[in-house]
Amino acid sequence: NAGVTQTPKFRVLKTGQSMTLLCAQDMNHEYMYWYRQDPGMGLRLIHYSVGEGTTAKGEVPDGYNVSRLKKQNFLLGLESAAPSQTSVYFCASSHRDRLIQPQHFGDGTRLSIL
Amino acid sequence: TQLLEQSPQFLSIQEGENLTVYCNSSSVFSSLQWYRQEPGEGPVLLVTVVTGGEVKKLKRLTFQFGDARKDSSLHITAAQPGDTGLYLCADISGYALNFGKGTSLLVTP
Repeated sequence: NAGVTQTPKFRVLKTGQSMTLLCAQDMNHEYMYWYRQDPGMGLRLIHYSVGEGTTAKGEVPDGYNVSRLKKQNFLLGLESAAPSQTSVYFCASSHRDRLIQPQHFGDGTRLSIL
Repeated sequence: TQLLEQSPQFLSIQEGENLTVYCNSSSVFSSLQWYRQEPGEGPVLLVTVVTGGEVKKLKRLTFQFGDARKDSSLHITAAQPGDTGLYLCADISGYALNFGKGTSLLVTP
């Protein structure tokens, strides 16, 4: 019973490098989300998707891109990593009716940009 | 964007004590969820409240939703070390959740 799986769990990058974070869910959820969590800032929405092939910007989208080519996967890309992107990144998924079924979160990806 | 304020920001108590944490909004909540996040893990849903004045209980946890749906509280009776974590409130607004910054709770034996 995997739920939401994030890979990798940890990563250290140098400024200017690129990488992709992968999120996979096995609950057939329509909605998927990427958040970042920083000390004292709570969870802030980066991008989200309400279905395969669709994406939208959240509160803090600059410096990130996303793609949802398959319903079960949601990818977060950093084209040119910056130290300000050092954070813990959480992926989540949910049924379209969040009152019936809440958001399910992965265990996070801890990313450090040197 | 609706502003959710949680208080206190930090709370350190001893096992057996009672505590209350709060979540207040600048505008009316559509529906409110409370999550708990343990170190190294993602948030996990505790409860959803929808109706003003609603009270829900989950073992030693009691959740209240204000009559005007602009505030909510979480009361823990006889706290245990296993209650340690970050407690987050979130409003279901639009497609995504809007989170408060959380209350970090430490319960020591």
